[in-house]
Amino acid sequence: DAGITQSPRHKVTETGTPVTLRCHQTENHRYMYWYRQDPGHGLRLIHYSYGVKDTDKGEVSDGYSVSRSKTEDFLLTLESATSSQTSVYFCAISGLAGGSVKETQYFGPGTRLLVL
Amino acid sequence: DQQVKQNSPSLSVQEGRISILNCDYTNSMFDYFLWYKKYPAEGPTFLISISSIKDKNEDGRFTVFLNKSAKHLSLHIVPSQPGDSAVYFCACGGGSEKLVFGKGTKLTVNP
Repeated sequence: DAGITQSPRHKVTETGTPVTLRCHQTENHRYMYWYRQDPGHGLRLIHYSYGVKDTDKGEVSDGYSVSRSKTEDFLLTLESATSSQTSVYFCAISGLAGGSVKETQYFGPGTRLLVL
Repeated sequence: DQQVKQNSPSLSVQEGRISILNCDYTNSMFDYFLWYKKYPAEGPTFLISISSIKDKNEDGRFTVFLNKSAKHLSLHIVPSQPGDSAVYFCACGGGSEKLVFGKGTKLTVNP
């Protein structure tokens, strides 16, 4: 267990509403990531962070924003949720402070989001 | 344009036999490779990794083989057990902190 939690674990929302998912880690890892998993697509990177206030886009970033105001928390926001954003969202962490970037990513338990 | 391909969406094997899961990649900049295992309703868990300076890494029943010239890696599970039934993702990285994942192979081990 890499000390990573996600909240909420399940959420149902309506199209057009804002949604924020939270990832919290207790391991002081430098890098944090948000992925979505969809049938036939595997795991796709949405955004990632390489430090406090340092973030960058991934493969499928449109419609999503992120923030990291402290080391332990990485927030994913859907500004105006759409049905195409129905998915399972996973947070991952890697890179102990001062360590190499080539380290294993450890995943949280996931958040299942349904946008009606 | 898929950089990492797992061409078999599913694989079924008998308990006790060998399971071989395959992964192909296109980006020659990748220099470390990982396999993850995922059960339903759980997050992926790290299984085994290999760097490009090696061609084999073994951990108990799990062995990963890397063929750099063919840009191919494989995961061997011997002997396979029913508890190994899961979706397996290969992931490739290099030059950055990001990983690129394949679409996964669903392994079913029949008792």
